[in-house]
Amino acid sequence: NAGVTQTPKFRVLKTGQSMTLLCAQDMNHEYMYWYRQDPGMGLRLIHYSVGEGTTAKGEVPDGYNVSRLKKQNFLLGLESAAPSQTSVYFCASSYFTPGANVLTFGAGSRLTVL
Amino acid sequence: AQSVTQPDIHITVSEGASLELRCNYSYGATPYLFWYVQSPGQGLQLLLKYFSGDTLVQGIKGFEAEFKRSQSSFNLRKPSVHWSDAAEYFCAVDKSRGGADGLTFGKGTHLIIQP
Repeated sequence: NAGVTQTPKFRVLKTGQSMTLLCAQDMNHEYMYWYRQDPGMGLRLIHYSVGEGTTAKGEVPDGYNVSRLKKQNFLLGLESAAPSQTSVYFCASSYFTPGANVLTFGAGSRLTVL
Repeated sequence: AQSVTQPDIHITVSEGASLELRCNYSYGATPYLFWYVQSPGQGLQLLLKYFSGDTLVQGIKGFEAEFKRSQSSFNLRKPSVHWSDAAEYFCAVDKSRGGADGLTFGKGTHLIIQP
């Protein structure tokens, strides 16, 4: 059981380039999330999805787009990368249980924008 | 403003000593509370969670946390740390109490273990 898998693990981009981060979960979770982690900032929510075909903005959505075409996959896109998007990106998923929402995280994707 | 605060950016503890990491929250209603640990180069692993009931909760790896409503705190403790506990620790809240809009994280506390 792989849990939450993120690809790629590392990527270097030049300013203005585009890329997509893929998150895949094999736990049949309804909810999926993309966070970014920056030194001294903790984790901040970029976008999330409550089910296939749905997405919603989080705390820091600007410059990112997401899609959830299949329940098990959640894609994070950068259309025109900027140095401010240099960060470690974490995907997470969770299932709905009344009164609980426990997130399972992937191992992270480190992105550097030059 | 609603927030999660971890006042200590770094903490250094000797191996075998006790540990307490602080977490305070500022929300109108008591949120659901979590502690996660992140080892270097790894994702986040859930240590423990509090939803309701007994205010002292036990987690994995010998950790526990105590919810104190009067202090709006959820401090993490361990009686005797091991070198393998060196990591980044994050307190998090689910302000929607079981909703789908994710967790809000504190900025983290970096734990250093001295031999």
